[in-house]
Amino acid sequence: DAGVTQSPTHLIKTRGQQVTLRCSPKSGHDTVSWYQQALGQGPQFIFQYYEEEERQRGNFPDRFSGHQFPNYSSELNVNALLLGDSALYLCASSLDRTSGRARDTQYFGPGTRLTVL
Amino acid sequence: GEDVEQSLFLSVREGDSSVINCTYTDSSSTYLYWYKQEPGAGLQLLTYIFSNMDMKQDQRLTVLLNKKDKHLSLRIADTQTGDSAIYFCAERGDQGGKLIFGQGTELSVKP
Repeated sequence: DAGVTQSPTHLIKTRGQQVTLRCSPKSGHDTVSWYQQALGQGPQFIFQYYEEEERQRGNFPDRFSGHQFPNYSSELNVNALLLGDSALYLCASSLDRTSGRARDTQYFGPGTRLTVL
Repeated sequence: GEDVEQSLFLSVREGDSSVINCTYTDSSSTYLYWYKQEPGAGLQLLTYIFSNMDMKQDQRLTVLLNKKDKHLSLRIADTQTGDSAIYFCAERGDQGGKLIFGQGTELSVKP
């Protein structure tokens, strides 16, 4: 049973560029959440996707956008990169909470380390 | 408001018990979680507790929840060097799926 996978593992970009990060959920999961983890901090919620729609959003600017595909995989896009966007980006998958409360536990992937120069 | 706080560091000797503490502010929290993060890796789910429970035990792990004081703790029995990592407490409110994380407690286990 494959867990959550993310690509790429590492990425280096320059200020002003755009980046796309990818996530494949754990088998059987239908919901994907994205988090940003700055060095030495806990993860911060960016947004959550379910049924190809953004269902909930954290306190991040519109430069952060996402997409969910019919196979439940997801992309995180960041435009106009800033130095402060350098972080570990974590994807988490879960089964929608209406399927049973305990089953929406979030399982995390290994993350994508983004460095903005 | 939503806020989760943890002490930043804990150092124990191998074989001792470790207790990592966490406080949260959202009284509507339904589930509380403990995740482990090793260097350069993602988050590994250790355990979770539903807000109507006081205690949950899972092998070497014991979670205690004091809902009145909004205090959560994780006890690791017979701590091993492989337990050295950063431990995150997280709460999930009833309003949606987002998790609110603490800053993490770095556990150092000395032989």
